[in-house]
This record gives sequence, structure tokens and C-alpha cells, in this order.
Amino acid sequence: AQTVTQSQPEMSVQEAETVTLSCTYDTSESDYYLFWYKQPPSRQMILVIRQEAYKQQNATENRFSVNFQKAAKSFSLKISDSQLGDAAMYFCAYWNDDYKLSFGAGTTVTVRA
Amino acid sequence: DTGVSQDPRHKITKRGQNVTFRCDPISEHNRLYWYRQTLGQGPEFLTYFQNEAQLEKSRLLSDRFSAERPKGSFSTLEIQRTEQGDSAMYLCASSFRLAEHYEQFFGPGTRLTVL
Repeated sequence: AQTVTQSQPEMSVQEAETVTLSCTYDTSESDYYLFWYKQPPSRQMILVIRQEAYKQQNATENRFSVNFQKAAKSFSLKISDSQLGDAAMYFCAYWNDDYKLSFGAGTTVTVRA
Repeated sequence: DTGVSQDPRHKITKRGQNVTFRCDPISEHNRLYWYRQTLGQGPEFLTYFQNEAQLEKSRLLSDRFSAERPKGSFSTLEIQRTEQGDSAMYLCASSFRLAEHYEQFFGPGTRLTVL
């Protein structure tokens, strides 16, 4: 079974600053996808960014970027120029060619004005 | 299409009662998933449908839980004889099997409180 570990229960960042969220995972597969999902308080989960394991280039979506280290099984999320609307719980998730997402425990991001 | 919807959004029930939740996926999505999320944790997989067929069930899904997806459209999740440990957020997600990026789209969830 795949396991996803997020070791930072909470992170705080000043508005306009940068914050990096950590994620490690365990798998014996070579082909898989990794995702970061955002869950704002009392709102539904939305996809922030995805990374295909076969792609060496790190994914970027506007202010969000990842550092994917396949050999180390590490997948961190960097939020640049943090905004108040970025405050949420962030989940790292793993998917391969089966059916389910395996999620980490999440990291709560607080943005200070 | 406004996305995945779930009903009800909140449910409070007494221990021992039966509850049923509904999920309406995005219309062209043939895959539908149920997850359970307890406070401060990530969602955990419960079960999965491809069209109307239930293809996988987690060990978390005890005999008191049953899910259906008649005609491959909406899905229901029923919990019989609820227990306090069933209190959680129940999330539904859907995806399109042939989609390049395999993204699952989540609904707002049904928060269940068992007293």
C-alpha cells in the first residue's frame, strides 16, 4: 500500500512571502501521479497542481510550484507571493493506475496580514 | 454543470439510526468515489464505482455500510445502525476514466454527527 506523509501539521506565512510544504511518499511503482489539493475552511477540495512521475520537469501553476525528487520520493509545494486566500488545509496525494487517491494528513496554512 | 454535489450537507443523527447520503457527479464522469475524512486528517478511500459497477471496497467499509450507483448516475451511501465512530465528513468525488490527468473532482461533503 502506498503511504503519504506530511510532517508539518501547521505552517504560517506572512502575506506576500513564500512558504514550502513538505510531502514524502512510499511506492514501488515507477509510473504514478502526485497532486496537491487545497481545502479551504468549510469549502470543497480543489486541485492545486499535479505532477506526472515520468516527467522530470517540475510542474508550475501561477504562484504554485513543486519540487519533485523521484529518487528521494519527495514532493514539496512552494507557494510564492502568499495571499490571504491561500489560507487552507493542503493535502498531498498519490495516485497510480488503480482507482483511489492516497492522502497525507494535511498541512494547515495560515497567512498573516 | 456546477460540479459534484452532495446532499445533505449536514446530518445529525442518534446512535443506532440509519442514514443515507446522495452524491451527484459531474455528468460525463464515469468514475465515482467515496472517501471519509475525520477531523484534522486526510480523506480515506471507502469505495469506487465505474459506471454502475462497484469495483472496489476498502476494509474501512464495514457491513453496516452500503453504496449504490444505479444506472451509473448518482450514488448513495447508506450507513445502518450508526455508531459514534461514524462521525466524519463523507466526501464524494468523480472523474472521467480517459482524462489525461486523472483528476478527481470533489463535492462539498456531508458532515455526519452521531450523538
